[in-house]
Amino acid sequence: NAGVMQNPRHLVRRRGQEARLRCSPMKGHSHVYWYRQLPEEGLKFMVYLQKENIIDESGMPKERFSAEFPKEGPSILRIQQVVRGDSAAYFCASSLRDSQETQYFGPGTRLLVL
Amino acid sequence: DAKTTQPNSMESNEEEPVHLPCNHSTISGTDYIHWYRQLPSQGPEYVIHGLTSNVNNRMASLAIAEDRKSSTLILHRATLRDAAVYYCILRDDGDYKLSFGAGTTVTVRA
Repeated sequence: NAGVMQNPRHLVRRRGQEARLRCSPMKGHSHVYWYRQLPEEGLKFMVYLQKENIIDESGMPKERFSAEFPKEGPSILRIQQVVRGDSAAYFCASSLRDSQETQYFGPGTRLLVL
Repeated sequence: DAKTTQPNSMESNEEEPVHLPCNHSTISGTDYIHWYRQLPSQGPEYVIHGLTSNVNNRMASLAIAEDRKSSTLILHRATLRDAAVYYCILRDDGDYKLSFGAGTTVTVRA
């Protein structure tokens, strides 16, 4: 059973470009969470999604950031018009059925904005 | 949210046990104590969790104080692969957000 997969592992963008980060949860998992880890800081919750629904996006910046988890395919975290402050490691986690269960993390996408 | 306090860093020798303390004096009755670790350049990895009783699994043991105001993660025989940042997290039953603090950076000497 493959773990949580994220791609790309590394992404370089210039200021003003768009970044798309993809996350495939573990097989059978229908709950997805995104976290961001800024340099020298701890992970911070961004958004919690279930299939086709955003449950909680309280940790996501109001502008330029969006997330989706379609019925088919991976979850996508989209950052429009990136700025240097968006440079960070973005981690996706998934859990089985119930949001109270253990979260399994992917390897992360390291975004660098030039 | 209840908070946890951990030492910034700890060092250990290979093959020796490591005891990682965590203080959580404001823990509520429904808070579970979770431990995750993050190896260099990787995502966090679940280690263990418990509510009141001590817990053991293949990775570690969790010793919880009787008053639940502190706990200790025990790595029985540290290996070089155990070098990581270890996070002690309180998670209320039904809470899906994991709140990561600074954690304890564990260094293992060969």
